[in-house]
Amino acid sequence: NAGVTQTPKFRVLKTGQSMTLLCAQDMNHEYMYWYRQDPGMGLRLIHYSVGEGTTAKGEVPDGYNVSRLKKQNFLLGLESAAPSQTSVYFCASSRRQGYEQYFGPGTRLTVT
Amino acid sequence: AQSVAQPEDQVNVAEGNPLTVKCTYSVSGNPYLFWYVQYPNRGLQFLLKYITGDNLVKGSYGFEAEFNKSQTSFHLKKPSALVSDSALYFCAVRDIRAAAGNKLTFGGGTRVLVKP
Repeated sequence: NAGVTQTPKFRVLKTGQSMTLLCAQDMNHEYMYWYRQDPGMGLRLIHYSVGEGTTAKGEVPDGYNVSRLKKQNFLLGLESAAPSQTSVYFCASSRRQGYEQYFGPGTRLTVT
Repeated sequence: AQSVAQPEDQVNVAEGNPLTVKCTYSVSGNPYLFWYVQYPNRGLQFLLKYITGDNLVKGSYGFEAEFNKSQTSFHLKKPSALVSDSALYFCAVRDIRAAAGNKLTFGGGTRVLVKP
């Protein structure tokens, strides 16, 4: 049981490039989330999903898109990366009735 | 909208001494409260939660938290700190709206340094 996994672990992009971060969970959780963590700002929710085929905006959605085509996967896309998107990105999942979220190990993204 | 405050950026404590990490919250209705720990270069790990019931909640690694409704606080405690408890600690509150997908609002985090 791997829990929540994220791919890749590290990435460096040039301004304007695009990329997709992959999150996978093997716990059959209904809900999934993408956060970014920046120094002094805690965790901020980017987008989330309450089920396969559904997504919703969080606190800081601009510049990001997401898709959840399969229950176990949640993809975060950056269409045109900007230096302001340099951050550590965390994916999480939870059961509908469990409330607590389980986090992946994170992806460190640097945009130059 | 709900909010969480962690008033201390850093807490320093000697190994073997009691550890307290403070958290206060603001939420409409009954709060669902959580504590998470983050070790360097790792994701957040769930420690404990308060949903209902006893005000003293016990969690992983010997941690516990006390829910105080009148003071809107949910402080994390450990009777005897270990050097290995040095980490970043986050308090969080769940969005109570039914359509919110168990969204959490996190505090800014408190860094705990336990010195030998």
